Formats: sequence, C-alpha cells, structure tokens
Amino acid sequence: EVQLVESGGGLVQPGRSLRLSCTVTGFIFEDYAMHWVRQAPGTGLEWVSGISWNSGKTASADPVKGRFTISRDNAKSTLYLQMDSLRTEDTAFYFCVKDRSAYLMIFGSWFDSWGQGTLVTVSP
Amino acid sequence: QSPLTQPPSVSGAPGQRVTISCAGTRSNIGAGNDVHWYQHVPGTAPKLLIYSNSNWPSGVPDRFSGSKSGASASLVITGLQAEDEADYYCQSYDISLSAYVFGTGTKVTVL
Repeated sequence: EVQLVESGGGLVQPGRSLRLSCTVTGFIFEDYAMHWVRQAPGTGLEWVSGISWNSGKTASADPVKGRFTISRDNAKSTLYLQMDSLRTEDTAFYFCVKDRSAYLMIFGSWFDSWGQGTLVTVSP
Repeated sequence: QSPLTQPPSVSGAPGQRVTISCAGTRSNIGAGNDVHWYQHVPGTAPKLLIYSNSNWPSGVPDRFSGSKSGASASLVITGLQAEDEADYYCQSYDISLSAYVFGTGTKVTVL
C-alpha cells in the first residue's frame, strides 16, 4: 500500500523558517518525481514545488520562488520542503504528492498518490 | 486566480447525474495538455479520479467519467451517491506559467 506521511508543520512567526518532511512507503521512491501541493483555508489546491527522480530538476510556483526549496533523499525515501521568509499567506495544509512519472514538467503528468497533509500556520 | 475555472457548487439527488465543467485557456487545456480530476473530502488525502482526460485509475467506479474538448473539460457523475459529497478539482499544465495548475474547485452536494 502506498503511504505518504508528512511532518514538520506547526505555528511559526512571519519571516521565520520551517522544514517539512514526507516519508514514503509502498513504492520505489527513487523512480518518481515528487511534489508539494498546498491548500489555504477556504481556498482550492495550489501546486507549490516539484522535483525530478534524481533531483536533477526542480521547479516552483511564482509565489514561493526564492523562498522555498524542495529536495529529496532517495536513500531515506524522504521528500523535504525548506520554507524560508514565511508570510501569513503561506498558511495552508501542505500535501506531499507522488507524480506518475520520474520526470518533472511532463505536460500531461498527473498526481497519483497524496498524503493527508500537514498544517503550517504563519502568524505573529 | 487559477487559470482553470469551475463552478463553485453543483448538487443533485441520489441517483441523478451531475456535470462539473473546467474552462481553461490556450496556455493550458487549449494547448493540448491533458486534464486530470481529483476528489477531495476535507480532512483526508485528495484522490485521483480521472487521468489523461478520460481514464480511470484502478478502483475508481465507472460512474465517474471525463471528457475534453478544445480548451475545456468536464467530469460527469452518474448515479450520484451520498459518498460522492466532496470537492472536485481539475488539473492541467500551463505552458505560460510553467506550472501545474488546478481548477478553482467544485463542491458537490447530494440532496
């Protein structure tokens, strides 16, 4: 059974940093690209960042470019999201998501497994 | 500000058919990129419902069906059931934004 378990969420002040982790089981982690998707309170889903199977390519949405860094450790089957210079508008549930492909930015790609999410609250 | 627009809500009685539209632009669906659909019950993990416009992942009942035409797509639920109450999102890739994009989301209510 595929499982993605996020951790590291919590309450943090604006301007501070937080690192999210996602540990996966049930599939060969190093064979797939991975992503973070978030959902702010009362809003819809928003793609945040993605990383290819071997970390050779990463990409991020404009609202987080230069502040968030996605990375992975294939030996530990773990995905990370380093979030710096946090803003109140970053408050959201953050989901760890598995791509159906090993590669990033494949135009037709989709997300075939999701975690339950971890809540990040940015507040003074 | 999603470039994919969905109706905020649709509703239907058990057994009825409902349709959720997803309107895109020439930068995403209209560029020929595939559309995928997800079901999300708040508090749980979102679930892939339809991939590549009209295909079912294993375990998804065939009363969910998808289609794409031009710069838009649709999800149809036939034989609506109580457990179908959830939020539904379309997703594609936007070549102008160089980003994966989701629709604005549609809440399905079973009356």
